[in-house]
Amino acid sequence: AIRITQSPSSLSASTGDRVTITCRASQNISSYLAWYQQQPGKAPKLLIHTTSTLQSGVPSRFSGAGSGTDFTLTINCLQSEDFATYYCQQFYTYPLTFGGGTSVEIK
Amino acid sequence: EVQLVEVGGGLVQPGGSLRLSCAASGFIFSNYWMSWVRQAPGKGLEWVANIKQDGSEKYYVDSVKGRFTISRDNAKNSLYLQMNSLRAEDTAIYYCARGNCNTTNCFRGKYYYHYMDVWGKGTTVTVSS
Repeated sequence: AIRITQSPSSLSASTGDRVTITCRASQNISSYLAWYQQQPGKAPKLLIHTTSTLQSGVPSRFSGAGSGTDFTLTINCLQSEDFATYYCQQFYTYPLTFGGGTSVEIK
Repeated sequence: EVQLVEVGGGLVQPGGSLRLSCAASGFIFSNYWMSWVRQAPGKGLEWVANIKQDGSEKYYVDSVKGRFTISRDNAKNSLYLQMNSLRAEDTAIYYCARGNCNTTNCFRGKYYYHYMDVWGKGTTVTVSS
């Protein structure tokens, strides 16, 4: 199975900050990576698919980049509603696998 | 409104069985692959299984193979997960999710791969004596 290492596991930031989360896959997954946001007690929500394609309705302050094994999610000008846990997921091969998650907390 | 609603969770003893259901509405259910994804308490997300539109293909994570069975009834717009021989480590919130892939080469080799673009709120399964 493809292992995805997500870093950092948590970070503290302030409203207005720019934050970057990284996912590293254990093998080449081309551009087949998605990002999700999960608020406490809620279901995950798709933010970005295929590395950098923003899902409909997702604010443009979210962006994704990368290819091969290394990927990033960047949130520009962090808003209060962005404090949540973020997961990446590869859809290159089975089993579909997720990164371990990054909790973005208020500083 | 596109919606997925899971039911069927509960407390079950180790070795027991449980059947989860997911009711879909607001989209053409028979057009989509569907998945189950779980989340153990305080842990991350784990994909469990998925099923093709017509039910002819199913894939599972190794840890549930031979114990869990995914199925669907397109006439009822419903997805199911039959869970047998349950273990403590199966304790989790189980989410029903719609599979999608709006990019090139979603079919590679003989397989279809996808991300999950619509999620239900989940149902909680607790395996404990």
